[in-house]
Amino acid sequence: LAKTTQPPSMEAYEGQEVNVSCSHTNIATSEYIYWYRQVPHQGPQFIIQGYKDYVVNEVASLFISADRKLSTLSLPWVSLRDAAVYYCIVTDLSLNNYAQGLTFGLGTRVSVFP
Amino acid sequence: DMKVTQMPRYLIKRMGENVLLECGQDMSHETMYWYRQDPGLGLQLIYISYDVDSNSEGDIPKGYRVSRKKREHFSLILDSAKTNQTSVYFCASSFHNSGNTLYFGEGSRLIVV
Repeated sequence: LAKTTQPPSMEAYEGQEVNVSCSHTNIATSEYIYWYRQVPHQGPQFIIQGYKDYVVNEVASLFISADRKLSTLSLPWVSLRDAAVYYCIVTDLSLNNYAQGLTFGLGTRVSVFP
Repeated sequence: DMKVTQMPRYLIKRMGENVLLECGQDMSHETMYWYRQDPGLGLQLIYISYDVDSNSEGDIPKGYRVSRKKREHFSLILDSAKTNQTSVYFCASSFHNSGNTLYFGEGSRLIVV
């Protein structure tokens, strides 16, 4: 499984766009990219997943570089509620690896100021 | 309602006592998980359950056991709790064929003194 590298922390003011990067230089062709976030005193919550190019949903957008070695989670117009730890996870769907669970790193702590 | 519910949310136990953490989900998910989270270590997988009475060790199973007698319910048991088991425990669930989209509970904070 590919290892991911994220900045440990980021800061932003309310209303700004926040871009959280994730490097996965050894990503395999069978691996997908998942993003979760965890607000204080709650469990992680799935945000978005992608394989290549650009994915968008009601919460965030995800840009994946052409070589798939870098992904960027974009949070438009952040509010105080977006203050959380954001986790980038790379995992393989091709081998029914549901049996292995997900490996969470330390993520990126995003602080939002009013 | 798509929810994972953990009980109790907070628990203080003495070293050597038994601990039962319970988790329920209302989404008919086949797979359920127990993780623990400690500062600086992130989330660590303790056990996975694929369905009733079908459980598998995760990365740190020592000192823990699990029970799953109904699909919607998954228990984590600590026989003779130790102080190093002080942690926040998270339960999660997922469908069998989308095992990378996990739904987590709010966590159970256990303090062993």
